[in-house]
Amino acid sequence: DAGVTQSPTHLIKTRGQQVTLRCSPKSGHDTVSWYQQALGQGPQFIFQYYEEEERQRGNFPDRFSGHQFPNYSSELNVNALLLGDSALYLCASSHKAIPTNEKLFFGSGTQLSVL
Amino acid sequence: GQQLNQSPQSMFIQEGEDVSMNCTSSSIFNTWLWYKQDPGEGPVLLIALYKAGELTSNGRLTAQFGITRKDSFLNISASIPSDVGIYFCAGPPTSSNTGKLIFGQGTTLQVKP
Repeated sequence: DAGVTQSPTHLIKTRGQQVTLRCSPKSGHDTVSWYQQALGQGPQFIFQYYEEEERQRGNFPDRFSGHQFPNYSSELNVNALLLGDSALYLCASSHKAIPTNEKLFFGSGTQLSVL
Repeated sequence: GQQLNQSPQSMFIQEGEDVSMNCTSSSIFNTWLWYKQDPGEGPVLLIALYKAGELTSNGRLTAQFGITRKDSFLNISASIPSDVGIYFCAGPPTSSNTGKLIFGQGTTLQVKP
């Protein structure tokens, strides 16, 4: 049973560029949440997708956008990259029918470096 | 917004020692979660707490949900080298019921064999 898979594992971009990160949820899960984890900090919630729509959003600018596909996989897009966007981006999956927060399973993340 | 503060920020202990770390908030949380993150990995849930005063164990780990709902602690007994990692407390904000968690800044644990 595959867990949450994210790609790529590492990425280097320059300021002003755009980036797309990908996530496949755990088998049986239909909800994907994205988190940003800066060095030395805890993860911060970016947004959540299910039924192919953004359902909740954290305190992140519109440069951060996402998408969910019919197979429940998801993409995180960041435009006009800033140095401060350098972080580990974590994807977490769950099943929306289980309304308890502990049922989140995290992927290993994508380490984004902006130069 | 709601925030979680963890202490200590880091710990360096000898193998076999017991460890205690805590998490506090200025506002109430209805669920407290404790995660561990190994280098290069995502957080993994260790213990979930749902009721004020609840004490829950998972092997050598014990966590408690504070009576005031504004704090929680995690104890690790007889530490071993594989306990090394970053421990996070987390909880859902009162305005959310799924998917969104607020995390503390973490406690980094180093264990000397």
